[in-house]
Amino acid sequence: GAVVSQHPSRVICKSGTSVKIECRSLDFQATTMFWYRQFPKQSLMLMATSNEGSKATYEQGVEKDKFLINHASLTLSTLTVTSAHPEDSSFYICSAREGSTISGNTIYFGEGSWLTVV
Amino acid sequence: RKEVEQDPGPFNVPEGATVAFNCTYSNSASQSFFWYRQDCRKEPKLLMSVYSSGNEDGRFTAQLNRASQYISLLIRDSKLSDSATYLCVVNNAGNMLTFGGGTRLMVKP
Repeated sequence: GAVVSQHPSRVICKSGTSVKIECRSLDFQATTMFWYRQFPKQSLMLMATSNEGSKATYEQGVEKDKFLINHASLTLSTLTVTSAHPEDSSFYICSAREGSTISGNTIYFGEGSWLTVV
Repeated sequence: RKEVEQDPGPFNVPEGATVAFNCTYSNSASQSFFWYRQDCRKEPKLLMSVYSSGNEDGRFTAQLNRASQYISLLIRDSKLSDSATYLCVVNNAGNMLTFGGGTRLMVKP
């Protein structure tokens, strides 16, 4: 079945540095990918919707200049957390849509990336 | 009001018990509905879709009531391995998934 791969699974970085997380659809083309963030004991919150070849659409309250999203190809979207701070420490998960119609869509999740900013 | 609401639990049940979770959603235009399972520190995984006619998959039964805007999940004969957080997920236009806060289930021997 379709697989979405996310890398790295865990990363520790120093405050003020930038971290890039990759999300790849391995055996299907994903015109749309979604980025979520999950803080401990909370639900997943959508950060942004990434469309191949165009600018990402960010949810209210998510800083587009801080969380840079690039969806340069149909199989890869990246999320870069710039100037990371300890409060950015969280579980970041991507998902990708397979299919082009609402009724035929299936959403697959990456394995998630644990970011710890020290 | 949250778009998708769930009782956070935890629901502590013995093995073999039947347990039911409910979920309510606020957007009457929501198009499709799912239950996902999330284990601790892992990504969510699709458990089952929820259809208006109700659907069953082994020990799991999901039902949708569009008029009342709620979704349910019934787990029969609970196993230890069912312990997880169950996420109610609503799919609005454009495949925007909205997650409920999750209901934590703990099945004990």
